[in-house]
Amino acid sequence: DAKTTQPNSMESNEEEPVHLPCNHSTISGTDYIHWYRQLPSQGPEYVIHGLTSNVNNRMASLAIAEDRKSSTLILHRATLRDAAVYYCILYYTDKLIFGTGTRLQVFP
Amino acid sequence: GAVVSQHPSWVICKSGTSVKIECRSLDFQATTMFWYRQFPKQSLMLMATSNEGSKATYEQGVEKDKFLINHASLTLSTLTVTSAHPEDSSFYICSARDASTQGGTKDEQFFGPGTRLTVL
Repeated sequence: DAKTTQPNSMESNEEEPVHLPCNHSTISGTDYIHWYRQLPSQGPEYVIHGLTSNVNNRMASLAIAEDRKSSTLILHRATLRDAAVYYCILYYTDKLIFGTGTRLQVFP
Repeated sequence: GAVVSQHPSWVICKSGTSVKIECRSLDFQATTMFWYRQFPKQSLMLMATSNEGSKATYEQGVEKDKFLINHASLTLSTLTVTSAHPEDSSFYICSARDASTQGGTKDEQFFGPGTRLTVL
């Protein structure tokens, strides 16, 4: 399975932008890059996904490196509700294989 | 957005009993659903892929006779933990793919809120 590497944890202050990195050096040409997040004691929630071009939606932006070996999830203004574990996943043979993710702490 | 529900949200049972967990897609049809389990402080582990009208595909190391999966309709999949033991205590989460966008650029999975199983 294609693997992703993320920092175990990151911290941010409220109202500040957050850049969550993800390395996926073994990505194949057809793998989509998906981001999900999981709030405590809840199921994961879809955040954003992309293939080659940068993507924006109401929750976040996704910046994808030109060689597609890394990507960055951008939360433009962190809120306390954004505290969660963020998972970067390569969509592989229709299955989402979760890595360890990045635990984001947001401080008021 | 699409909604997936799970029932029950939590269950406590005695060792040796069987427990059934339901996963429903409320406002879309799902030909494919997935079952995950998550231990405290750990990531989600995919257990099996459930396809409507056919047998589930289990991930390596998951006992198919212990974790029975049925996907009899386009909106319902069930996971039955048979002869549950304390080591089966975990957070079980299902997800569903919207059949109308499956395989396309909008393909995404919608997750249920999870079921916390405690086996005494």
